[in-house]
Amino acid sequence: AQSVSQHNHHVILSEAASLELGCNYSYGGTVNLFWYVQYPGQHLQLLLKYFSGDPLVKGIKGFEAEFIKSKFSFNLRKPSVQWSDTAEYFCAVNGGGGFKTIFGAGTRLFVKA
Amino acid sequence: EAGVAQSPRYKIIEKRQSVAFWCNPISGHATLYWYQQILGQGPKLLIQFQNNGVVDDSQLPKDRFSAERLKGVDSTLKIQPAKLEDSAVYLCASSWTGERDNSPLHFGNGTRLTVT
Repeated sequence: AQSVSQHNHHVILSEAASLELGCNYSYGGTVNLFWYVQYPGQHLQLLLKYFSGDPLVKGIKGFEAEFIKSKFSFNLRKPSVQWSDTAEYFCAVNGGGGFKTIFGAGTRLFVKA
Repeated sequence: EAGVAQSPRYKIIEKRQSVAFWCNPISGHATLYWYQQILGQGPKLLIQFQNNGVVDDSQLPKDRFSAERLKGVDSTLKIQPAKLEDSAVYLCASSWTGERDNSPLHFGNGTRLTVT
């Protein structure tokens, strides 16, 4: 069965600090990988996605993620965070038949101004 | 485009009562999902429809939860009777699904259910 593990449940950073959120998944086949973000008071929305090709994918608002197949990882990064990046971030995996998307537990990021 | 619509936004009920949630997906999206998100956890898939057929309901507690999508458009999720552990946010999502299963999900704002 698929599973997704996010390493940090809570992260606190100061503005301009660099961000890396870890995500590991367990699934042996071809996967589609996603990061979703939920800003305070808003619905979950797509941040970026990886299907195939270049393992370094870029998303909205300066975020990027790198797919490392050998490590079953899809870590999210941003070189310099802003106060407006305060949100909850979810890693998600879709693999195999049935189009089932599995989510990690989420990481709450708080950026201090 | 209009987003995924859900109602109500909030609901408070007593245990053993029943409750229903409604979802209208983005127009043209064939696949509709209901997720349960308990505080501090990620969304957990309850049921997935493609058009009006069920693709996956393996994690739906069928003794108390039911869902339908009769005309392949909007959907209703019902809980009867509710338990305290059903307190959660119920998220509806939709996606365009073609031959490839990599369509991202579009979420509604969710319904926050509190069972007392």
